Amino acid sequence: GDSVTQTEGQVALSEEDFLTIHCNYSASGYPALFWYVQYPGEGPQFLFRASRDKEKGSSRGFEATYDKGTTSFHLRKASVQESDSAVYYCALGEGQGGRALIFGTGTTVSVSP
Amino acid sequence: GPKVLQIPSHQIIDMGQMVTLNCDPVSNHLYFYWYKQILGQQMEFLVNFYNGKVMEKSKLFKDQFSVERPDGSYFTLKIQPTALEDSAVYFCASRRDRADTQYFGPGTRLLVL
Repeated sequence: GDSVTQTEGQVALSEEDFLTIHCNYSASGYPALFWYVQYPGEGPQFLFRASRDKEKGSSRGFEATYDKGTTSFHLRKASVQESDSAVYYCALGEGQGGRALIFGTGTTVSVSP
Repeated sequence: GPKVLQIPSHQIIDMGQMVTLNCDPVSNHLYFYWYKQILGQQMEFLVNFYNGKVMEKSKLFKDQFSVERPDGSYFTLKIQPTALEDSAVYFCASRRDRADTQYFGPGTRLLVL
């Protein structure tokens, strides 16, 4: 079945460091890809999405580019802040259907001042 | 962004009892979802609901689970009877249409003793 793999379980950074979280997917066809962020005690918040090859999604300084060739959707931010500390989830959705999201295992990002 | 509310935020019950988790979705949304997240693990899809019917369910959606949304009120997840392995955080999500993004509530933390 379809799946999402996030390589990093935990990432520790200092403010102004560059962040990369690797996300690879396995799915047939052209799934939509998403990044969500979850803060303690809250539900996942939508960051952005991309629906076709080479499309770039971005929000709040985070960005990721849909790459069908490498089946990847890596999250990047050039300069992190302490407020970016959270759990980040890559997710896959089956196009425009009313289907469920398939989440990766999540990456806990800790940014120290 | 759009707000999904969940009631209660926490629930502690004895194994074998019935529990109902309530979700107040965004007012013009038509698709509704429940996800389950066991502590430290990824979020997993349980069920989605549209036009008064279950559209899709996962293998986690046991016979003891049921969902409904009577007359546009709360979207509910009922577990009867509960089991120890039902202890988790349950997230509700909703979306306006098939092209929209899913918006999540803050979760209900269920502990079955």
